[in-house]
Amino acid sequence: GENVEQHPSTLSVQEGDSAVIKCTYSDSASNYFPWYKQELGKRPQLIIDIRSNVGEKKDQRIAVTLNKTAKHFSLHITETQPEDSAVYFCAAVGNNDMRFGAGTRLTVKP
Amino acid sequence: EPEVTQTPSHQVTQMGQEVILRCVPISNHLYFYWYRQILGQKVEFLVSFYNNEISEKSEIFDDQFSVERPDGSNFTLKIRSTKLEDSAMYFCASSTTGGRYEQFFGPGTRLTVL
Repeated sequence: GENVEQHPSTLSVQEGDSAVIKCTYSDSASNYFPWYKQELGKRPQLIIDIRSNVGEKKDQRIAVTLNKTAKHFSLHITETQPEDSAVYFCAAVGNNDMRFGAGTRLTVKP
Repeated sequence: EPEVTQTPSHQVTQMGQEVILRCVPISNHLYFYWYRQILGQKVEFLVSFYNNEISEKSEIFDDQFSVERPDGSNFTLKIRSTKLEDSAMYFCASSTTGGRYEQFFGPGTRLTVL
């Protein structure tokens, strides 16, 4: 089955800096890659997603890139703010089974 | 804005007991999912459900687990004989057109097995 690896497990940045989180996946049949943000005690919430026919997608301060050949995808957050502090999960979807990475705890220091 | 709802928010049970976790997906969604998250760990896929049958299931979803859509609105997860290691947050999710589109998560049910 699909295996998603995510790095780093923790990331601390100064407010205003950029943050990058990287994921790899194993199943070449996966074709949808969402990113979720989870605040403490809350449900995961989708922040951005990308499909396998697209190499990059941007939404304001958030961007995602996908390299299908290398089976890599990354989340980029620019101009980080304290409210960006949360756990971020990448995921990969083949059919109807979404497999998550282990999560990155992002801390943005004011 | 419509949301996925789950009940109860917290369930405490004794080892070996059966539990049923309930979810009400968003009304026009056709695909339903259960995930679990052990405290401090990643979200793990359990099962997806479409057209009144299981679409995909993970290695976690063994014979102790079952899902059902008993009526037009509810979607349930049953654990037949709970174990200590079943203690986790269980999230229900739904989507309009399958796993390759946004899944909307419910607030979760925290299951504690004593």
